[in-house]
Amino acid sequence: KAGVTQTPRYLIKTRGQQVTLSCSPISGHRSVSWYQQTPGQGLQFLFEYFSETQRNKGNFPGRFSGRQFSNSRSEMNVSTLELGDSALYLCASSLGGTGSFEQFFGPGTRLTVL
Amino acid sequence: ILNVEQSPQSLHVQEGDSTNFTCSFPSSNFYALHWYRWETAKSPEALFVMTLNGDEKKKGRISATLNTKEGYSYLYIKGSQPEDSATYLCAPARNTPLVFGKGTRLSVIA
Repeated sequence: KAGVTQTPRYLIKTRGQQVTLSCSPISGHRSVSWYQQTPGQGLQFLFEYFSETQRNKGNFPGRFSGRQFSNSRSEMNVSTLELGDSALYLCASSLGGTGSFEQFFGPGTRLTVL
Repeated sequence: ILNVEQSPQSLHVQEGDSTNFTCSFPSSNFYALHWYRWETAKSPEALFVMTLNGDEKKKGRISATLNTKEGYSYLYIKGSQPEDSATYLCAPARNTPLVFGKGTRLSVIA
């Protein structure tokens, strides 16, 4: 069974640009969650999608958005990039929503904003 | 917002030592508690998902207990090995997304 995949793995952008990250969940998983990890911080929850609907959203500005397609693949978009957006972005998929369902993480996308 | 505390922040032990970490979380509206292991340059990997007060789970040399009434969970590693070196994250869940603690970084010295 293929695991969670994320593309690209590494990305370098400049301030003001926008970026789109992609996540393909494990086959059959309908929930995809996105997290940001920066040095000194734990994993910060961005949002969760389930069956193409955003079910939960973390405390991030509106520059961070996402969507989920009918095949459960998800994309995350960050507009007007800031230096502080440099981070590792992880997505995780699970069979159901969060809670009692184990989450399976992808390898992450390392975003550097110059 | 859930306040999740993990202690200690970091730990250095000798190979063969047993060790344990703590995860503290608000006990109200508890739903589940997740433990993950995150090795450098890899993805976080689920260890346990625990839901019932008094739950004890075991995977090889690693085990965990859960006390939902007082809001804490312990993770134990028996006979630590260098390959156990990783950051161990806990994440309680209510009817909301997982909220991760900052983790305990374990280094096992051979």
